[in-house]
Amino acid sequence: GESVGLHLPTLSVQEGDNSIINCAYSNSASDYFIWYKQESGKGPQFIIDIRSNMDKRQGQRVTVLLNKTVKHLSLQIAATQPGDSAVYFCAEKAAGNQFYFGTGTSLTVIP
Amino acid sequence: EAGVAQSPRYKIIEKRQSVAFWCNPISGHATLYWYQQILGQGPKLLIQFQNNGVVDDSQLPKDRFSAERLKGVDSTLKIQPAKLEDSAVYLCASSSGPTTDTQYFGPGTRLTVL
Repeated sequence: GESVGLHLPTLSVQEGDNSIINCAYSNSASDYFIWYKQESGKGPQFIIDIRSNMDKRQGQRVTVLLNKTVKHLSLQIAATQPGDSAVYFCAEKAAGNQFYFGTGTSLTVIP
Repeated sequence: EAGVAQSPRYKIIEKRQSVAFWCNPISGHATLYWYQQILGQGPKLLIQFQNNGVVDDSQLPKDRFSAERLKGVDSTLKIQPAKLEDSAVYLCASSSGPTTDTQYFGPGTRLTVL
């Protein structure tokens, strides 16, 4: 199967600081990537996506960076807030249009 | 806009029993997905429907899992008989069309098999 993994299972940041969550993927043919946020007891919520023909995409307080050379994806959250505390997943769309999710990183924001 | 609805939210059964989960996608969404999320892991796709046809069920354990979407709207996922390792959250998601469209997830059904 495909391998989508995260470098760190947990991350703690101080409120107001910037957060960076990393993700490594294994399939160089993957052409679409998504970051999801999952709060306890809820389903994953779409945050931001990026296609393989881009290396950066910005949203509101979030930026996704894609480095296809090393097959690495990152999610940057600016001015992290307590409401950002959740598990963050990256997902890739591989051959056959199937999405593969990583294990997830648990982000804790310290007030 | 109403989100993806799932029921029940929680289910506890004994091994070898059967169980069914229900999903109502966002109105007008043609594509529906069922995922299995084991504790501490990311969701794993079980089956994908486009309207009432199956697009991908390569990771569905067909000896015990089945799913249908008869009228291209609601869907049910069934497990018969259940095993201990089926304990997980079962997530339903929908998207408006092609697989690169945003998937909207329901709250999931947490299944515990004893």
